[in-house]
Amino acid sequence: DTEVTQTPKHLVMGMTNKKSLKCEQHMGHRAMYWYKQKAKKPPELMFVYSYEKLSINESVPSRFSPECPNSSLLNLHLHALQPEDSALYLCASSPSEGGYGYTFGSGTRLTVV
Amino acid sequence: GENVEQHPSTLSVQEGDSAVIKCTYSDSASNYFPWYKQELGKRPQLIIDIRSNVGEKKDQRIAVTLNKTAKHFSLHITETQPEDSAVYFCAATSFTDKLIFGTGTRLQVFP
Repeated sequence: DTEVTQTPKHLVMGMTNKKSLKCEQHMGHRAMYWYKQKAKKPPELMFVYSYEKLSINESVPSRFSPECPNSSLLNLHLHALQPEDSALYLCASSPSEGGYGYTFGSGTRLTVV
Repeated sequence: GENVEQHPSTLSVQEGDSAVIKCTYSDSASNYFPWYKQELGKRPQLIIDIRSNVGEKKDQRIAVTLNKTAKHFSLHITETQPEDSAVYFCAATSFTDKLIFGTGTRLQVFP
């Protein structure tokens, strides 16, 4: 399996809702990432997990809460989001932390209303 | 930290022509330079990459060149086809550091 699977593909949520994004990989990669991508912009790093431990938090607001239950799964819990948080949320994994060998998931298109 | 500049931001070519996208980086410690293609609404996909110990790499119609002295690298697409239309991102990193993306180039290939 050489894929990173993200669910759901699309999500519409209100500003008072709580929802979660899920990401799964079975390539044995030990680093996993959350990126946020706005239209016509490059992906923007949010969080890095390395060996299931949070390695990097790019000063992301606390309304985004990551979780890595095991080496294959990565979640992003969302609460009290703002309309400006609407974006494509991409998960990625790589063999180890760093820039080499990235595989991106298809993303979750999030709309906050 | 690393900073990657990418030019042009948009590029329009006729089918069959060549396209060149250029990137410059700031950190001399960077040693890995991937290129990603992102079609509308889809994931970024790695199309070619180059390491700092290599000056040029080619894969069919796609090639990447690297000038370490000048700290710039370029993507070359020959014999462009309409399906090459997408946004292309360059990136730079050392193997143990964050991947830093360029700002992207929207390539349009007209039939």
